[in-house]
Amino acid sequence: GESVGLHLPTLSVQEGDNSIINCAYSNSASDYFIWYKQESGKGPQFIIDIRSNMDKRQGQRVTVLLNKTVKHLSLQIAATQPGDSAVYFCAESSIWGGGADGLTFGKGTHLIIQP
Amino acid sequence: DAGITQSPRHKVTETGTPVTLRCHQTENHRYMYWYRQDPGHGLRLIHYSYGVKDTDKGEVSDGYSVSRSKTEDFLLTLESATSSQTSVYFCAIRLAANTGELFFGEGSRLTVL
Repeated sequence: GESVGLHLPTLSVQEGDNSIINCAYSNSASDYFIWYKQESGKGPQFIIDIRSNMDKRQGQRVTVLLNKTVKHLSLQIAATQPGDSAVYFCAESSIWGGGADGLTFGKGTHLIIQP
Repeated sequence: DAGITQSPRHKVTETGTPVTLRCHQTENHRYMYWYRQDPGHGLRLIHYSYGVKDTDKGEVSDGYSVSRSKTEDFLLTLESATSSQTSVYFCAIRLAANTGELFFGEGSRLTVL
């Protein structure tokens, strides 16, 4: 069936470096994509989202890139800090078709920050 | 800010017993969701609701039922809990009709012995 997945389960980066977390999706009907951050023992928290009519969107220290040709999504975190240590999930939906049935999540990437 | 309260936050029960998890929201959002989270599987949708008494199944609905008798409460019931239902359960609300963003609660950890 359709699925959203991630290339790497764990990503280790040096504090201060930039982090890039990748995500592949297979549902060509998806028109909405979102990244969540989940810290240990907490619920997922919204980071940034992007619609299919865009290929880039920037937030505070984060950028999401969407390549619809190869069905690829990435999250870039600039100047990674210890507080960025968490599991990051991508998710997708088809909101223009109603979207009542929520988001489909990938399995997550654990970002580890090395001092 | 959107507010979600999940209860109980932690529960240990035995196989075969019924369990109900409650999700309470304070802002009259129409759409509510129950997800489960397991290592290696990410978050998977169990059931969702698009209004009072309007619910539908998600990807992993077997063994679960839901009810929504009023806007603010969405209940998830395990009629006869099994060890495979040991998981962390998250409730979520959709913040607006023109976005897919979901706001999540803090989770309910259920252990079935």
